[in-house]
Amino acid sequence: GAVVSQHPSWVICKSGTSVKIECRSLDFQATTMFWYRQFPKQSLMLMATSNEGSKATYEQGVEKDKFLINHASLTLSTLTVTSAHPEDSSFYICSARDGGTGGKNQPQHFGDGTRLSIL
Amino acid sequence: AQSVAQPEDQVNVAEGNPLTVKCTYSVSGNPYLFWYVQYPNRGLQFLLKYITGDNLVKGSYGFEAEFNKSQTSFHLKKPSALVSDSALYFCAVRDKSNSGNTPLVFGKGTRLSVIA
Repeated sequence: GAVVSQHPSWVICKSGTSVKIECRSLDFQATTMFWYRQFPKQSLMLMATSNEGSKATYEQGVEKDKFLINHASLTLSTLTVTSAHPEDSSFYICSARDGGTGGKNQPQHFGDGTRLSIL
Repeated sequence: AQSVAQPEDQVNVAEGNPLTVKCTYSVSGNPYLFWYVQYPNRGLQFLLKYITGDNLVKGSYGFEAEFNKSQTSFHLKKPSALVSDSALYFCAVRDKSNSGNTPLVFGKGTRLSVIA
């Protein structure tokens, strides 16, 4: 089945550091990937939709200069948290849908998430 | 606009008993419906989906869900719960008329605790 790989799983770094998170579709091509943020014991918050070869679409209230998204190929999207601060600490999850088999009724597949802790 | 409601934050059930996790949805057209499970510090894992056809769909790990159009519901069920089923469960919907690039809309999640 479709697999989404997310790396790294855990990041602990100092305030002011920029952190890059990678999301790869391993056995399918994903023209669109989604980035979510999840706070403890809460639901997923969609941050942005990443489109291959074009600019990402950010949800209202998400700072595009803070959360840089690059979707340079059909199998890779990256999220960079720039100049991270403690309030950026969270669980970030990427997701992609294999649109090549069956179209829009296919489920989204999720990476295992990245736990980001900013000290 | 699309929305999903999971009315219960927490469901507790004894091991071996049947379990139900409730979900209702709202879409302007016809829905694609999904259930996912999340274990601690992991991403979401797909369980099952309703696209069309039989209202009762079967998925992974013995889970099933019943689509009820009149009640706009898609409750998740399992005949006999296991302790290992304890996790966070999310219901999600996409309107069939939306493009494939639109993300799923998720409910807020229901935490299932199965007690031995």
